[in-house]
Formats: sequence, C-alpha cells, structure tokens
Amino acid sequence: KAGVTQTPRYLIKTRGQQVTLSCSPISGHRSVSWYQQTPGQGLQFLFEYFSETQRNKGNFPGRFSGRQFSNSRSEMNVSTLELGDSALYLCASSGRGTYGGYNEQFFGPGTRLTVL
Amino acid sequence: QQQVKQSPQSLIVQKGGISIINCAYENTAFDYFPWYQQFPGKGPALLIAIRPDVSEKKEGRFTISFNKSAKQFSLHIMDSQPGDSATYFCAASGFGGKLTFGTGTRLTIIP
Repeated sequence: KAGVTQTPRYLIKTRGQQVTLSCSPISGHRSVSWYQQTPGQGLQFLFEYFSETQRNKGNFPGRFSGRQFSNSRSEMNVSTLELGDSALYLCASSGRGTYGGYNEQFFGPGTRLTVL
Repeated sequence: QQQVKQSPQSLIVQKGGISIINCAYENTAFDYFPWYQQFPGKGPALLIAIRPDVSEKKEGRFTISFNKSAKQFSLHIMDSQPGDSATYFCAASGFGGKLTFGTGTRLTIIP
C-alpha cells in the first residue's frame, strides 16, 4: 500500500498570505488528522476529519481550517499567515489497527511551511 | 491534564547498549500509548504501541513497559544500533484521533 502523501513538500509564503496544504491518506483509511510541528512547541494536534466531518479540534485560532472530501483526501488552510506559522505540517491517516481496535495513525512526510 | 511529559531530552548510548526513554501522563482517560520514531526530514513513524490492560509489549528489539498506577510508560531499545539514532516521541490518546505527544528524545548511538 502506498503511504500518506502530502503536497507540496516545501512552501514559502509572506505574512498576510494564505496557504492550502493537501493530504492523501492511505487507501481505505477514512480518518485524517493534522498536526503542527515546531522546535518550540513540538507536535500539536490541529484537527481530525472522519467521513468529511470534523470530529476533533485542537487549540488553534480560526485562521486554521480544514476539510475532507468524499475520497478521504484532506486539505488544510491557513489564512492571514503569521511568522509563527512557520512549521512542519503533518498529516496522519488512520484505519483499522491492531492495538485493541484503536486506529493507528500513520504520518506523511509533512509540508515545510516558511513564512517570511 | 492533557500533558505527556517525556525524558530525557537527549540520550547518548553506546552501540549494543540499552536505550531507555520515559514518559508520564496525567489524564486517566488516555488508553492508547504509541511510540513514534522520526528521522530528519521525515514524518514520525509508528514503532510500537500499548494499551493499559497489559504491562509490557515487545516487538523485536523494542519493548514498552507500562505502569498504570504510576501513570508512566517507557520505551526500551535493546542492542541499540547506529541506525536507531533518531528522535523518539511518546504519545497518548483517548477516544478519537487526537494524539497528545511528549516533547521528544534525541537518541544518538555511538560506536
């Protein structure tokens, strides 16, 4: 099975712009979660989508939004970019797992966003 | 109450030795505890995971030890190899897809 793919891999934007990141989950996986990774804050949960519905949300401002399509592909959008939004944005997909029925999360390589 | 505390921040182990990374959690609603390995420029890769109904899980050279009463769990890497040099993250979750991560441990295996 192909793994989680994320596009683009690298992105440079300026303050005030908006950006859209894309994630294609592992075939058959219906849940997609997004995380932000920075040296200072570590890995932080942004939101999770399951069957096109946001099922869970982290503590990020409303400038961060996402959506999921009927084929389970997901996008996240960040509007009015700030310097502090520079980070590695990771997408993880979940399907039926082996640990007592819990859904294991498999991460993509991430999109490195730099805001200038 | 959502925190997962991880230690040490960095660890240097000789080849063939045992690497031990510890994590502690506060939220008793957590009931799934995975460990991830991350190499530079890559996304985290799931290594091994445990649920609190068992005290230990072993997969190859990797073992999770879990102490429910102390709310602590640890990763042991036996016969550590240079290829194990990476950053390791513990995590925890309850119901749903939100993982709460520890702050990471940078492991270096020296010859």
